[in-house]
Amino acid sequence: QQPVQSPQAVILREGEDAVINCSSSKALYSVHWYRQKHGEAPVFLMILLKGGEQKGHDKISASFNEKKQQSSLYLTASQLSYSGTYFCGTAGGTSYGKLTFGQGTILTVHP
Amino acid sequence: DGGITQSPKYLFRKEGQNVTLSCEQNLNHDAMYWYRQDPGQGLRLIYYSQIVNDFQKGDIAEGYSVSREKKESFPLTVTSAQKNPTAFYLCASTKRDSTFTDTQYFGPGTRLTVL
Repeated sequence: QQPVQSPQAVILREGEDAVINCSSSKALYSVHWYRQKHGEAPVFLMILLKGGEQKGHDKISASFNEKKQQSSLYLTASQLSYSGTYFCGTAGGTSYGKLTFGQGTILTVHP
Repeated sequence: DGGITQSPKYLFRKEGQNVTLSCEQNLNHDAMYWYRQDPGQGLRLIYYSQIVNDFQKGDIAEGYSVSREKKESFPLTVTSAQKNPTAFYLCASTKRDSTFTDTQYFGPGTRLTVL
């Protein structure tokens, strides 16, 4: 079953923060985050494994709440280059070898 | 440089024709995947292969076929049985046969338009 992302779209000014959520009704083993620019391939951001681990690099970080089967992506002090569509991909116990992607969250950062 | 290549970048097809999309990787990855992306939507899995000469259907395999004769190649054929093939097609690969912990690397994509 497809994970649900929220919000569907976010509009920010440079320097503002945003949070994108990814929720699943199934037990998850890992959550993968990607960013896609229009007409291009998705670019890998990070993987979160079950255990509530939080990861991050630069001003982008993410967490994984195993109890809620939810992952959140945090973008702080946003830059113009952060604009794009963010996807979460989930992998669970019955989906060995496959990722199921959410519908995407469109992030637009204005000067 | 290692990576995934897809060709062609743009493809136009007449209704009733079969077309084959190429996907090649030189990352020495075991597993390869084909996704379809429609405007404003996420990625949907068409087929995937965890090992040479073996592949499994994804969520939307009807109207598509694949082969995996070589580790580095995973071509996708869009047949005339696919009712609405216009979409952006993405190929991906992972080092091992599990997506639990392995990063999926994507190719640049092929945009298919049916005229």
